[in-house]
Amino acid sequence: EDQVTQSPEALRLQEGESSSLNCSYTVSGLRGLFWYRQDPGKGPEFLFTLYSAGEEKEKERLKATLTKKESFLHITAPKPEDSATYLCAARASGGYQKVTFGTGTKLQVIP
Amino acid sequence: DAMVIQNPRYQVTQFGKPVTLSCSQTLNHNVMYWYQQKSSQAPKLLFHYYDKDFNNEADTPDNFQSRRPNTSFCFLDIRSPGLGDAAMYLCATSSSGGHEQFFGPGTRLTVL
Repeated sequence: EDQVTQSPEALRLQEGESSSLNCSYTVSGLRGLFWYRQDPGKGPEFLFTLYSAGEEKEKERLKATLTKKESFLHITAPKPEDSATYLCAARASGGYQKVTFGTGTKLQVIP
Repeated sequence: DAMVIQNPRYQVTQFGKPVTLSCSQTLNHNVMYWYQQKSSQAPKLLFHYYDKDFNNEADTPDNFQSRRPNTSFCFLDIRSPGLGDAAMYLCATSSSGGHEQFFGPGTRLTVL
């Protein structure tokens, strides 16, 4: 069974304190690893797609990386507006159009 | 801007009273999804459409039904809502080929 596990469940950072969120996945033949940001009471907002080990994507203070077993979302010098829940999801080969979501990391950045 | 729209944003219904949630998209994507998300949990896939082909998840209760009358619109019908059906319902779309999904803002359902 495909599984996606995110850690930590919650993370509290001081503004400017860089850190990383982890997404470990066990899927049959990864066909895409996706990162989303979700603000309270809203739908997830797409951030990145990674397809192969070694791939990296960047957007402002966020950088996503991928290995054969996990993905990291690095947050450099975070600001309070980066506070949100970050979800990752993985699509397996043969999974047709479906993905498996993790339960997310709730990030709080304190001024 | 191309987007996914859900209506209503907030829905209050009574126990057992049928409710319909709607989703529309201007992305012209051929895959549409309905998810249920409860507090601090991962989105749970209820079903998805690939064009007109309906794909139901094995553990989706019979109480949940869906319709997709055309490419742009998709509906979620909850025939007899129970207290356990109170949740955020998310609609998402993607192009075929398993690319990223784009989500609407969600409908928060309250069951009294």
